[in-house]
Amino acid sequence: EPEVTQTPSHQVTQMGQEVILRCVPISNHLYFYWYRQILGQKVEFLVSFYNNEISEKSEIFDDQFSVERPDGSNFTLKIRSTKLEDSAMYFCASAVGNTIYFGEGSWLTVV
Amino acid sequence: AQSVTQPDIHITVSEGASLELRCNYSYGATPYLFWYVQSPGQGLQLLLKYFSGDTLVQGIKGFEAEFKRSQSSFNLRKPSVHWSDAAEYFCAVGPLWNTDKLIFGTGTRLQVFP
Repeated sequence: EPEVTQTPSHQVTQMGQEVILRCVPISNHLYFYWYRQILGQKVEFLVSFYNNEISEKSEIFDDQFSVERPDGSNFTLKIRSTKLEDSAMYFCASAVGNTIYFGEGSWLTVV
Repeated sequence: AQSVTQPDIHITVSEGASLELRCNYSYGATPYLFWYVQSPGQGLQLLLKYFSGDTLVQGIKGFEAEFKRSQSSFNLRKPSVHWSDAAEYFCAVGPLWNTDKLIFGTGTRLQVFP
C-alpha cells in the first residue's frame, strides 16, 4: 500500500539553527499538509499546500516556517531559526478526495 | 467554534473485553469524521472514516464507529480488544468540501491488560 514517507525520523538541533524536514507524499495525491504534535498535546494543523501554493495556514505557521515542493515529488518544511518550543513531532500528510494519510512523523528536538 | 472532544483521556480494559471510545464534535456544516490510531513512537494510521450514507462504518483491525447526528457523536467501538490495540486514539473532523484542515481531539490513551 502506498504511504507517505518522512525523513529524518529524528533530528536534534541547536536553537537558532535551520531545519528542513522532508516528505514524499503518495504519488497521485493533490493536497499536502504539515501538522505537528508537541509531546503530550493534540495534533495541530500547520499548513496545507495545493497546486504549488499554500492554501491555508494556521497562526502557528509564522514567518520562520516555509514549505516547498521543489521537484514534484518531495514536500519540505523549513524552520528558519528554531526555538525550544519548536520541539515536536512533525507529520507530513497527503490527500486525494477527502481522506488524509499521514507519514510516520519526524521528531524534532531543539536544544 | 469547531472542536472535537474526547472526554476520556485514559481508558484501561482487559484483553477480550469490549471497547467504546467517545468522540463529540462541534461543527457548523456536515462534517467528515475520522478515527486515527497512533502506536508509541509511530505515525497516525487511519482506522476509519465517515462521509455520508450508512451511519455505522467499518474500519481496519476490527474497529467500527457510529455517526449519530442528533448527539454530534462518532464513537469508536471494538467487540473484543487485543493487547496490540494499546495505543493513542484520535478522533478528527474535517470539512465536507475540501481537505484543508482536520481538527483533532486531544486523544484517548488505551491500555490493555492481559
